[in-house]
Amino acid sequence: QKEVEQDPGPLSVPEGAIVSLNCTYSNSAFQYFMWYRQYSRKGPELLMYTYSSGNKEDGRFTAQVDKSSKYISLFIRDSQPSDSATYLCAMLDSGTYKYIFGTGTRLKVLA
Amino acid sequence: DTAVSQTPKYLVTQMGNDKSIKCEQNLGHDTMYWYKQDSKKFLKIMFSYNNKELIINETVPNRFSPKSPDKAHLNLHINSLELGDSAVYFCASSQEPPGQGNQPQHFGDGTRLSIL
Repeated sequence: QKEVEQDPGPLSVPEGAIVSLNCTYSNSAFQYFMWYRQYSRKGPELLMYTYSSGNKEDGRFTAQVDKSSKYISLFIRDSQPSDSATYLCAMLDSGTYKYIFGTGTRLKVLA
Repeated sequence: DTAVSQTPKYLVTQMGNDKSIKCEQNLGHDTMYWYKQDSKKFLKIMFSYNNKELIINETVPNRFSPKSPDKAHLNLHINSLELGDSAVYFCASSQEPPGQGNQPQHFGDGTRLSIL
């Protein structure tokens, strides 16, 4: 079993929809959580990062962390075709001090 | 004005050759990383340097040798390239090492290595 599980998709939604992207993890040593967006042939671009359980909002993006369930989510409101990309979750293992990445979910927002 | 820049963007070469990839960051960060992203988009840490000192050295073949001449640069030299080395290699940087301050990483756009 991978340390971080993420549905690869693709996830196709109409423009304007609310998108929910999720990751689950198994290691309780994971303490710091990030979401990256990766366009084709580009590097991962940091969207959100958070340490604690709860919600963090930034514009159309909301990151949610539930440490008790070992579950994190990224919500995108009013999705746009320009949001079409692969979304990677990442976590810091506080035991090994390494960042562990999910395999990414491919999102397509249809105009 | 690119924060983390890698060269070259594309590298096509024959099996058995030796090649280098260069990375530079202008963010003033102390820590730099090399990641390998395979065809399934899985990003895996290879090495990390903090202020020119190696702090993470994953189980990678010793054909891969990183070098950090200063804290703004981290290069990756690969000897005797093999077919399985084909991947995208990403450089990243962060203000501090993982576990100190927990600042996120910033990535370059990758070097696409293809072995013929």
